[in-house]
Amino acid sequence: GAGVSQSPRYKVAKRGQDVALRCDPISGHVSLFWYQQALGQGPEFLTYFQNEAQLDKSGLPSDRFFAERPEGSVSTLKIQRTQQEDSAVYLCASSLVQGASYEQYFGPGTRLTVT
Amino acid sequence: AQTVTQSQPEMSVQEAETVTLSCTYDTSESDYYLFWYKQPPSRQMILVIRQEAYKQQNATENRFSVNFQKAAKSFSLKISDSQLGDAAMYFCAYRSAAGTDKLIFGTGTRLQVFP
Repeated sequence: GAGVSQSPRYKVAKRGQDVALRCDPISGHVSLFWYQQALGQGPEFLTYFQNEAQLDKSGLPSDRFFAERPEGSVSTLKIQRTQQEDSAVYLCASSLVQGASYEQYFGPGTRLTVT
Repeated sequence: AQTVTQSQPEMSVQEAETVTLSCTYDTSESDYYLFWYKQPPSRQMILVIRQEAYKQQNATENRFSVNFQKAAKSFSLKISDSQLGDAAMYFCAYRSAAGTDKLIFGTGTRLQVFP
């Protein structure tokens, strides 16, 4: 089947604008993760969903960041009043279930540039 | 809190030769999982190999193998018979066996493969 898809692949926003980034996980995958990858760095965890429940949002850097997964499938990461420090690649990953050594499958990412 | 350290920002290897990428981590947990991910220039992260901490035997996947030293908290990746397609960023990642399945990544090692 298809892998994890993300849209848009590239987004340029002016400082202060709101943006919405979409993630389509692999069909049937229960767990969904968002990571932020700054230039030259490893991905950093933002938030985690199990079905529609957001079980961990400890990595969200500020209250300008909001994520949802209302029907337990597609997820949207919203960033309000974007700042230059929000420029990064935002990666989405999904896995079949929680626990054990189940693999997380990553999408291609959305590169956000805030000017 | 757990941390992952990759002290080699860049490595290079000649085609058909062997290269070892280093990773150390810090944790007070006894049960966890370790991963090596590959991120080619297209940015889609791909799982290379995984290791369960409770297993003493080092994991192997074709040309990829790990040297897992639990007491030393070391988890290196050996790539044998290097191929041009192995050129990528390699990230070491840690995942607790408890709580959410979020991955904690190192800063990555860029591997160049020369013909």
